[in-house]
Amino acid sequence: QVRLVESGPGLVKPSDTLTLTCGVSGGSISGTQWWTWVRQPPEKGLEWIGDIYHSGNADYNPSLRSRVTISVDKSKSQFSLQLTSVTAADTAVYYCATSADLRKYFHLWGQGTLVIVSS
Amino acid sequence: EIVLTQSPASLSLSPGERATLSCRASQSVSTYVAWYQQKPGQAPRLLIYDASKRATGIPARFSGSGSGTDFTLTISSLEPEDFAVYYCQQRTQWLSFGGGTKVEIQ
Repeated sequence: QVRLVESGPGLVKPSDTLTLTCGVSGGSISGTQWWTWVRQPPEKGLEWIGDIYHSGNADYNPSLRSRVTISVDKSKSQFSLQLTSVTAADTAVYYCATSADLRKYFHLWGQGTLVIVSS
Repeated sequence: EIVLTQSPASLSLSPGERATLSCRASQSVSTYVAWYQQKPGQAPRLLIYDASKRATGIPARFSGSGSGTDFTLTISSLEPEDFAVYYCQQRTQWLSFGGGTKVEIQ
């Protein structure tokens, strides 16, 4: 049973870079599936940030593309999110998730991690 | 950018009633739509994909329909555990979610 666990700082200062990691256990990160990041500001809806294939091929939300990098580390069975120049608007619960195959529907999610941007 | 508009924003119903949720896309997304359920403090749960296919373990009372720009999630008879927020998602052009519909207990 594949399990996803997000990790990273819960508090980030404005203008700094937010970095989160999603650890993958119970399965291979090199399978035929996408690995994604989705966020949810408090009391708001879901926003897709981007996703990556184990080859390193990544897609990003056009509205965030200039600030986002998603990378994969197969040796550590994890993938990561970097979001630069954060502001209070980036405060959200950040989820990692994965698809069952190459179709981008996400059947397995991490528990989510709250990141607050504040000085 | 494909925008998904969900309606209504909230729905107040009683257990046993039928719930009908709508998702409209700003341009055609074929049948590349999924529906998720989210309860407070929990991650979303995939219910329906490719507009009408139930995900593994999803009860038969959940059904999806539609193609092109108009999609519907129907819960045939609400159980107490179905009161939650529901989101649609498209994967035709990049990926985006609708704003959600909250199904509340009347």
